[in-house]
Amino acid sequence: EVQLVESGGGLVEPGGSLRLSCAASGFTFSNAWMSWVRQAPGKGLEWVGRIKSKTDGGTTDYAAPVKGRFSISRDDSRNTLYLQMNSLKTEDTAVYYCTILRSGSYGPLDYWGQGTLVTVSS
Amino acid sequence: SYVLTQPPSVSVAPGKTARITCGGNNIGSKSVHWYQQKPGQAPVLVIYYNNDRPSGIPERFSGSNSGNTATLTISRVEAGDEADYYCQVWDSSSGLLLVFGGGTKLTVL
Repeated sequence: EVQLVESGGGLVEPGGSLRLSCAASGFTFSNAWMSWVRQAPGKGLEWVGRIKSKTDGGTTDYAAPVKGRFSISRDDSRNTLYLQMNSLKTEDTAVYYCTILRSGSYGPLDYWGQGTLVTVSS
Repeated sequence: SYVLTQPPSVSVAPGKTARITCGGNNIGSKSVHWYQQKPGQAPVLVIYYNNDRPSGIPERFSGSNSGNTATLTISRVEAGDEADYYCQVWDSSSGLLLVFGGGTKLTVL
């Protein structure tokens, strides 16, 4: 059974940093393309970024609102995906979901974790 | 950037057919994916590549995509289908970026 368990959320002040983790199991993590999606309270879904598998280059892409502030990485030995968030703003407050992105261009987000809440507030 | 437009809400009586639209410039040339999100839960993929269903998704869910509109159709609607539904595409106009529609709240009367 595919499982994605996010952790690391919490309250952080504007300008601060936070690192989210996503522990993956039930599939071959090293072969998977992964993505982060967020959802502000009461709002719709917003894509954050993605990382390809190392065999496919391990490259990352980011949405404009987070580019230059957020960084996605992976540790295939630990089956864990990370989201490093720096220079946080109040508008980054959201539930952050870890997802499996079907490899290849234009694929869907096949599986989602339950999410972790990040609150940016003073 | 590419914009996907969904109606904020759709209402349907049980047993009837619900149609949720997703508008975008020449969206018919793109692959559209649909997600269902029930209150307090993570989204679930219900349709991918316009009209394919993941295992476990009822045949009552189907999709179409042509011209400037993609449509998610739910036949014989049940109370359990009440949820938010989001369409999604990839936009290659400035890099390759994932785009969601604003979401549609389906209410079962």
